[in-house]
Amino acid sequence: NAGVTQTPKFQVLKTGQSMTLQCAQDMNHNSMYWYRQDPGMGLRLIYYSASEGTTDKGEVPNGYNVSRLNKREFSLRLESAAPSQTSVYFCASSEALLDSPLHFGNGTRLTVT
Amino acid sequence: GENVEQHPSTLSVQEGDSAVIKCTYSDSASNYFPWYKQELGKRPQLIIDIRSNVGEKKDQRIAVTLNKTAKHFSLHITETQPEDSAVYFCAARRNSGYSTLTFGKGTMLLVSP
Repeated sequence: NAGVTQTPKFQVLKTGQSMTLQCAQDMNHNSMYWYRQDPGMGLRLIYYSASEGTTDKGEVPNGYNVSRLNKREFSLRLESAAPSQTSVYFCASSEALLDSPLHFGNGTRLTVT
Repeated sequence: GENVEQHPSTLSVQEGDSAVIKCTYSDSASNYFPWYKQELGKRPQLIIDIRSNVGEKKDQRIAVTLNKTAKHFSLHITETQPEDSAVYFCAARRNSGYSTLTFGKGTMLLVSP
């Protein structure tokens, strides 16, 4: 039981390049989330998926897209990376959108030069 | 939307002292308040949570108190140990509709031996 698995752990991109961050959970959770963490800014929600087949914008969705591939997997895509997207990205899951704690992955540290 | 303010941003204590971290929230309909601990380079992990029908909850050396009238809640750590050193995040959420957690900006707690 690995919990929430994110890949890659580290990535360096040049401005304008694209990439997809992968996330998978093996806890049979319905809801999944992508957060970014910047110094002094806490955890800010980018996108979430309340259940398989649905996705919704969070607090900071601009410059990102997501895909809920199936119940287990939720990917985050940067189509044209910008230096402002340099951050640590965390995927999380919960049993349901409401009344359930979040379980986080180990994070992806992304640097855009 | 919800806004969560967290204070202080940094807190230094001596081993054995108590530590208190305070959060205020803006949405009077919020009724779920978790606390997450993030050790350096690790993922955030839930340490305790409280719901609005309860004023206080304890788990060994940690406790959380909630004042719904004043819209603030606090984390109390007693008999601090060096392994308590971490960043602590509070969060708030309504337990209805498509509500997601809003996090505070975090408190870095340093416990000196």
